[in-house]
Amino acid sequence: NAGVTQTPKFQVLKTGQSMTLQCAQDMNHEYMSWYRQDPGMGLRLIHYSVGAGITDQGEVPNGYNVSRSTTEDFPLRLLSAAPSQTSVYFCASSDKHEGYEKLFFGSGTQLSVL
Amino acid sequence: ILNVEQSPQSLHVQEGDSTNFTCSFPSSNFYALHWYRWETAKSPEALFVMTLNGDEKKKGRISATLNTKEGYSYLYIKGSQPEDSATYLCASTNAGNNRKLIWGLGTSLAVNP
Repeated sequence: NAGVTQTPKFQVLKTGQSMTLQCAQDMNHEYMSWYRQDPGMGLRLIHYSVGAGITDQGEVPNGYNVSRSTTEDFPLRLLSAAPSQTSVYFCASSDKHEGYEKLFFGSGTQLSVL
Repeated sequence: ILNVEQSPQSLHVQEGDSTNFTCSFPSSNFYALHWYRWETAKSPEALFVMTLNGDEKKKGRISATLNTKEGYSYLYIKGSQPEDSATYLCASTNAGNNRKLIWGLGTSLAVNP
C-alpha cells in the first residue's frame, strides 16, 4: 500500500551542488508531477509527465530537469543548486491528466540550499 | 478572477462549532475544482473533485458545494473536531490551460478542544 514514495525527506545542499529527488508510484498512474511549496505562495508546478518518455515544463522549470523512463519513476534533478531553490518539494501522481482526477502526493522533501 | 483565492486565510474555532470557507476561481472555461486537506508534517490528501454546477459532495462531516457560473465553492465542516485542524487547499483547472491545476493559498483551520 505504498502509493507515492518520495525520498529523501530532508536534504541540505551547498550552492552549486547537484542532487536528485526520487519519486516512485505503484498505482500505474500515467500522470506524475513535481511541485514546490514556498511560504505565501500556492503550490507551483515545476515539471510534469503524462506518460513514460513524455515530460513537459510547468510554471517554474528553470534549474530543474526531469525524465520519465518508466511509468513508476519520475526523478527531479537539481543541476546546480541555488538558495532560491530552498523549498518543500512534493511529487504527485494521478491516473490520467484530464483535470478531474484526484492527485496523490508523496510525503515531501524539505530542501535547504546554503 | 484570474487566480484561485481562498478565504479566510486562517480560522480558529471551538470543538463542536460548524464552519465554512470559500474558494473563488476563474469561471471561464471551468473544468474541475479540487479540495485537499493538508495536515502539518503530512502531504495533501484529496477530499473532493467537482465538475458540475450545483454539485454537492459529502465525506463524513465535511461537504462541499460548487457554483461554476459565479466561480466559487464552499467547504463546510459540521461539528469541528481537533483532528480537523489542517490547511484546506482548493485548486481549479480550466479547459484551456492544458488541464493544469491553479492552487489557492489555503485556509488554515485550528480547532480548539
